[in-house]
Amino acid sequence: AQSVSQHNHHVILSEAASLELGCNYSYGGTVNLFWYVQYPGQHLQLLLKYFSGDPLVKGIKGFEAEFIKSKFSFNLRKPSVQWSDTAEYFCAVNPKAAGNKLTFGGGTRVLVKP
Amino acid sequence: DGGITQSPKYLFRKEGQNVTLSCEQNLNHDAMYWYRQDPGQGLRLIYYSQIVNDFQKGDIAEGYSVSREKKESFPLTVTSAQKNPTAFYLCASIRDHSSNQPQHFGDGTRLSIL
Repeated sequence: AQSVSQHNHHVILSEAASLELGCNYSYGGTVNLFWYVQYPGQHLQLLLKYFSGDPLVKGIKGFEAEFIKSKFSFNLRKPSVQWSDTAEYFCAVNPKAAGNKLTFGGGTRVLVKP
Repeated sequence: DGGITQSPKYLFRKEGQNVTLSCEQNLNHDAMYWYRQDPGQGLRLIYYSQIVNDFQKGDIAEGYSVSREKKESFPLTVTSAQKNPTAFYLCASIRDHSSNQPQHFGDGTRLSIL
């Protein structure tokens, strides 16, 4: 079975700092990749997705992620965070052959200090 | 507005009791999903349904049951056989299980054992 690892459970940083969240998955076939965000008190929302094509994907709110197939990674980045980026971030993977069965990473809680 | 409605938002249960969580969607989606979210473990798939009158076990189906008698409804029953039911439960849907599109999520139900 596939698995998804997010290396950092908690990240604390100041406004304007750069953010990078790691995500690695274990599955040998082709996959769809997602980053979801859960702001405090809100439901899970899609941040960005990768299906095929350009491995550098741009999402909402200035986030981007890079798919590196050789490293089985899909790291999330933002050059300059804001206090409103405080949230929990989840990486998710679904093998293209498995329909829409998502496997999620354990999540990373990000706290941005004003 | 179209969306996914989960009710109730908070639910308390005595040990030994079954309890049913509601999930309704008006998005005309064929596929629906139930996840359980625990701190540090991300979301784990309990059950999913690709179409009305069909459902399949996810990764952690033991102690849970579902039904899909109507397209818009996918209730989850947490039975007394579930040894550790305290968690945050999320329902999601998508137009077609075989599509690449991201899932839409509800606001969740937090279940606590008294």
